[in-house]
Amino acid sequence: DVKVTQSSRYLVKRTGEKVFLECVQDMDHENMFWYRQDPGLGLRLIYFSYDVKMKEKGDIPEGYSVSREKKERFSLILESASTNQTSMYLCATSTGQGRSGYTFGSGTRLTVV
Amino acid sequence: DAKTTQPPSMDCAEGRAANLPCNHSTISGNEYVYWYRQIHSQGPQYIIHGLKNNETNEMASLIITEDRKSSTLILPHATLRDTAVYYCIVRVAGNNDMRFGAGTRLTVKP
Repeated sequence: DVKVTQSSRYLVKRTGEKVFLECVQDMDHENMFWYRQDPGLGLRLIYFSYDVKMKEKGDIPEGYSVSREKKERFSLILESASTNQTSMYLCATSTGQGRSGYTFGSGTRLTVV
Repeated sequence: DAKTTQPPSMDCAEGRAANLPCNHSTISGNEYVYWYRQIHSQGPQYIIHGLKNNETNEMASLIITEDRKSSTLILPHATLRDTAVYYCIVRVAGNNDMRFGAGTRLTVKP
């Protein structure tokens, strides 16, 4: 089975800090995604990547950036964390075949104080 | 991608079949129907997907109406561990970004 590992389960950061959320997958999946999940708002797509060094904006990219230097790793970066970025962050992967489903990581619950 | 409509919540008795409906009246001919579920504090889990034929796997069955405007996910013998939020999503094959709605919160009761 594909395993998607997110580096931290819980994270507490201070306002203004630069925050890195890491996601690593152990299969050869081309596509990787970052979502955030908030009560009442569901899952919202932040950024995604179809290949190394490429990225596409999702629905809510403001305040975030991403990095994909290697196929297996997709990093979400909060350049200057703010309290409204307190959320559950979920990473997902899929193969390059369009009909395939997604595999999600367990999530990182980030609190910005 | 077409939008979907799901009831916000449903209850089901343990051991009975859970039938979760989804309306997707604006679905296009090349859009697939996907179902995921999310158990509390975990990432969403893929369940099943289909285009127009009914599908079955070890987790569930997916029934898609002939006009493809709606579908039903069936958990044949619901257990307490099936309590989760279930998401119905439609998307074009090859369109790899997937949008999630609010889903249906299924509660399986003893």
